[in-house]
Amino acid sequence: GAGVSQTPSNKVTEKGKYVELRCDPISGHTALYWYRQSLGQGPEFLIYFQGTGAADDSGLPNDRFFAVRPEGSVSTLKIQRTERGDSAVYLCASTGVNNEQFFGPGTRLTVL
Amino acid sequence: GNSVTQMEGPVTLSEEAFLTINCTYTATGYPSLFWYVQYPGEGLQLLLKATKADDKGSNKGFEATYRKETTSFHLEKGSVQVSDSAVYFCALISTSGTYKYIFGTGTRLKVLA
Repeated sequence: GAGVSQTPSNKVTEKGKYVELRCDPISGHTALYWYRQSLGQGPEFLIYFQGTGAADDSGLPNDRFFAVRPEGSVSTLKIQRTERGDSAVYLCASTGVNNEQFFGPGTRLTVL
Repeated sequence: GNSVTQMEGPVTLSEEAFLTINCTYTATGYPSLFWYVQYPGEGLQLLLKATKADDKGSNKGFEATYRKETTSFHLEKGSVQVSDSAVYFCALISTSGTYKYIFGTGTRLKVLA
């Protein structure tokens, strides 16, 4: 595809439920990043992948959050036992030359 | 750890005014520095970048110079337009160790006609 895509664009769930957020990066980009952005804040780093492996997951807030990238392309961010505080826009970016990031449109997660 | 501090907004200017948005950073090693912009209803996109000290990044009339001595990367534009109204984010990536991106909190710019 031409750019980074993320699905779904919006997700409303109930407290305690499990959600999966998907990111499809630009073809050929080996590095993929996940961020969380709350209203009025900058993107907060969660995790990044180099190929299939998580190179740095120090931003994941707790063990309810997990991400995979099994074939080095599409990535899924998984959140277990969602809490209201997880509500935010989740951004994905893939990285090109000179570490320039290309962002997807984001998934807006609302936990009721 | 690495961090980015940028001036709080909102910044409100009249069209054709001069713009400065301050950004300072703390980092180990020699980070690359970026400005990203988020226009209303759109995703983040790269505005400009600089990869080493004294480099000047420029794009769409915006400029920023990588100042290692003051650990700063201030964004400037000589004459803003209404279409520049957006949120601007300063960011860095350390090129030693983990390639973790750190973003500032963003500065909202509103330009009035």
